[in-house]
Amino acid sequence: QVQLVESGGGVVQPGRSLRLSCAASGFTFTTYGMHWVRQAPGKGLEWVTVIWYDGSNRYYADSVKGRFTISRDNSKNTLYLQMNSLRAEDTAVYYCARGVMGSNIDYWGQGTLVTVSS
Amino acid sequence: QLVLTQSPSASASLGASVKLTCTLSSGHSSYAIAWHQQQPEKGPRYLMTLNSDGSHSKGDGIPDRFSGSSSGAERYLTISSLQSEDESDYYCQTWGTGAWVFGGGTKLTVL
Repeated sequence: QVQLVESGGGVVQPGRSLRLSCAASGFTFTTYGMHWVRQAPGKGLEWVTVIWYDGSNRYYADSVKGRFTISRDNSKNTLYLQMNSLRAEDTAVYYCARGVMGSNIDYWGQGTLVTVSS
Repeated sequence: QLVLTQSPSASASLGASVKLTCTLSSGHSSYAIAWHQQQPEKGPRYLMTLNSDGSHSKGDGIPDRFSGSSSGAERYLTISSLQSEDESDYYCQTWGTGAWVFGGGTKLTVL
């Protein structure tokens, strides 16, 4: 069965960096795009970024462009999110999600909480 | 601009049916969407992909009680024979060139 397990969340000060990881299993990782989606406390879902199955394309929400970088290691079946220059408004649960090529999300992880606070 | 609009809340009685609506912004009425369910304190779960012609394909293990339909720019999720565990937030989601978009979500209360 498809499993997506996020890690790396925690409390970080404004302006600092954090890297999230997502370990994927139960499917052929190299044939799927992968997304990060976040949810601020008490709010709805916000799409953050996507990376193509081979890493050839990456897209970002305007709110994180220039600060966050998505990457993947297909040899390790792992997705990453490097978050720099963190702000209080980046506080959220971050979900890793599998994407059907160029279209919808069809599997979700359980999320990892990132809190940006001094 | 690609935008999805959902009513913030809905309610229906145990055992009844409910129809949730997701509206695509002007100029995007041909777009497919996906529906996702988020039960309290849990991660989201993919329910189905819904095309503009009303055809839909469901995710693994999604009960027959969940179905989708379309009319113009509106996309619907119908849940029949409501159960207590259906009390959740429901999000629609679509995609364009280089951008994926979520609706604001509908909180469903089962009375």
